[in-house]
Amino acid sequence: GENVEQHPSTLSVQEGDSAVIKCTYSDSASNYFPWYKQELGKGPQLIIDIRSNVGEKKDQRIAVTLNKTAKHFSLHITETQPEDSAVYFCAATESNYQLIWGAGTKLIIKP
Amino acid sequence: DAGVTQSPTHLIKTRGQQVTLRCSPKSGHDTVSWYQQALGQGPQFIFQYYEEEERQRGNFPDRFSGHQFPNYSSELNVNALLLGDSALYLCASSSTGFDEKLFFGSGTQLSVL
Repeated sequence: GENVEQHPSTLSVQEGDSAVIKCTYSDSASNYFPWYKQELGKGPQLIIDIRSNVGEKKDQRIAVTLNKTAKHFSLHITETQPEDSAVYFCAATESNYQLIWGAGTKLIIKP
Repeated sequence: DAGVTQSPTHLIKTRGQQVTLRCSPKSGHDTVSWYQQALGQGPQFIFQYYEEEERQRGNFPDRFSGHQFPNYSSELNVNALLLGDSALYLCASSSTGFDEKLFFGSGTQLSVL
């Protein structure tokens, strides 16, 4: 079955700098890769997603890149702000109803 | 437009008891998935309901069961509670039959003593 590994587990960056979180997956049949942001006391919130027929997708300060050959995908946040502080999760699925999640990255934005 | 709502927000039970958690999906959504999230970990898929039937199940014992009602709301039942069942239980809804673009509720924090 699918396995998703996420790195780093904790990332601390200066406000205004960029942050990059990386995930690798094992099942080459996976074709949908979402990223979720979870703030304390809340459920995960979808922030961006990408399908396997696309290599990159951007939404304002957030971008996701996908390398199908290497089976890894990354989340890029530019011009980080204090409100970006949260736990970020990557996930992968073959569209068989079940998302497989990474273990999460705690992003800390230092003022 | 109300999002996904879950009740209760917090619950304390003792070992061996049974618990029922409830979820109302986002307006327009017909699919409900349940996840268990232990502290410091990613969500683990329990099962998904679509058209009032369990569509797929994760690696959870039969003590975990569910139901979906005609109005698409859902319940998660856990019998014979164990200490290890203590976790945040998340409900997610979507508007397709597949597990994509999930909208999550804030969860029910279950503590088993």
